[in-house]
Amino acid sequence: EVVLTQSPGTLSLSPGDRATLSCRASQSVSSSYLAWYQHKPGQAPRLLIYGASSRATGIPDRFSGSGSGTDFTLTISRLEPEDFAVYYCQQYDSSPTWTFGQGTKVEIK
Amino acid sequence: EVQLVESGGGLVQPGGSLRLSCAASGFTFSNYAMSWVRQAPGKGLEWVSTIRDSGVSTYYADSVKGRFTISRDNSKNTLYLQMNSLRAGDTAVYYCAKNWNYPKFDYWGQGTLVTVSS
Repeated sequence: EVVLTQSPGTLSLSPGDRATLSCRASQSVSSSYLAWYQHKPGQAPRLLIYGASSRATGIPDRFSGSGSGTDFTLTISRLEPEDFAVYYCQQYDSSPTWTFGQGTKVEIK
Repeated sequence: EVQLVESGGGLVQPGGSLRLSCAASGFTFSNYAMSWVRQAPGKGLEWVSTIRDSGVSTYYADSVKGRFTISRDNSKNTLYLQMNSLRAGDTAVYYCAKNWNYPKFDYWGQGTLVTVSS
């Protein structure tokens, strides 16, 4: 079973800052099957990135994803007030099993 | 516009049962796999179950296998989750999600809260 470990647990930043979120897998993951989601309290989660680096429909270009193998990164180039939320990475394997990381909270400093 | 609306949550005693529903609209429901994902209080997202578009194949997390049953009615555009032998650890907001090309979830509902407590 693949375990996804996200770091840091909490990121305290100011609007306009750059945010770098990490997702590390316990074994190699196909880039095609690595996604990132944004989740705000009381709202539905929102797909941001799929295939490790492709932005979902309507996602601003300040969000970007990169990585391969066991190390993946979500970068928010300049934080907007609406970007403060919890972010999850997620992978799929052929078991089939869908696995989420434990999340990174991006909070206002 | 894609819409997923969950219902059926509530308070149930340990050992009890509950059936969740998810009404889908805005897309051809019978063409897509569908899933349930939950979030326990103060915790992260946890995949629960997925059902293929035809309903023939179903998959479960180990934590719910043998207790939960996912099903769908493509004529009613509705997804279900039958939850039996509920435990306190099943307390969570349960989200219905549409699978996109199977491995990822492109649309989610707002969730329904299930509380298992005596």
